[in-house]
Amino acid sequence: QSALTQPRSVSGSPGQSVTISCTGTSSDVGGYNYVSWYQQHPGKAPKLMIYDVSKRPSGVPDRFSGSKSGNTASLTISGLQAEDEADYYCCSYAGRWVFGGGTKLTVL
Amino acid sequence: EVQLVESGGGLVKPGGSLRLSCAASGFTFSNAWMSWVRQAPGKGLEWVGRIKSKTDGGTTDYAAPVKGRFTISRDDSKNTLYLQMNSLKTEDTAVYYCTTVANWGWHFDIWGQGTMVTVSS
Repeated sequence: QSALTQPRSVSGSPGQSVTISCTGTSSDVGGYNYVSWYQQHPGKAPKLMIYDVSKRPSGVPDRFSGSKSGNTASLTISGLQAEDEADYYCCSYAGRWVFGGGTKLTVL
Repeated sequence: EVQLVESGGGLVKPGGSLRLSCAASGFTFSNAWMSWVRQAPGKGLEWVGRIKSKTDGGTTDYAAPVKGRFTISRDDSKNTLYLQMNSLKTEDTAVYYCTTVANWGWHFDIWGQGTMVTVSS
């Protein structure tokens, strides 16, 4: 399995919305609704933000939402806040797990 | 409090071996599927392998780059997960995270703080 494709970086101003894409194939992202998203601040462990494409664990703000269309999943963060600045990774399960390369979100 | 604490990282020469441990607390470890995920310096996350609970067979699966060199095991009496790493290569240098595979799901919901493994001569 090859790594999923994410943009290397995205940016937005406080209060704006940003969307991070995650492109795979029909064998992973497109074939299963098992896409998850993780937030990682520098020097910290990843944190689960979205699972099963669009479900939010308890404690994750509803500013974070997920969706999928075909072989591409997306994470949207609305009402950007300074603390959202971090690296974000998508992950798909298709018998085994494969991660995206990660996207650095900068809050301007 | 639900917690995973890794230990055992360090500096090892290419071709050497190292065993990582992950101590679990705050949940029923014996029922959990567990995984290891690693992150090379400045790079992204990479799934390493998984072990099922003993009630689900206790079987393991590994990513291609580590298959045949790494072995995941568990001691449910000690609430501890292990990663035995043999024939280490410089490209195995990374922070290694212990994670739980969510019940009724295919995502990683609890993460440890990670332990650094450096493979260098």
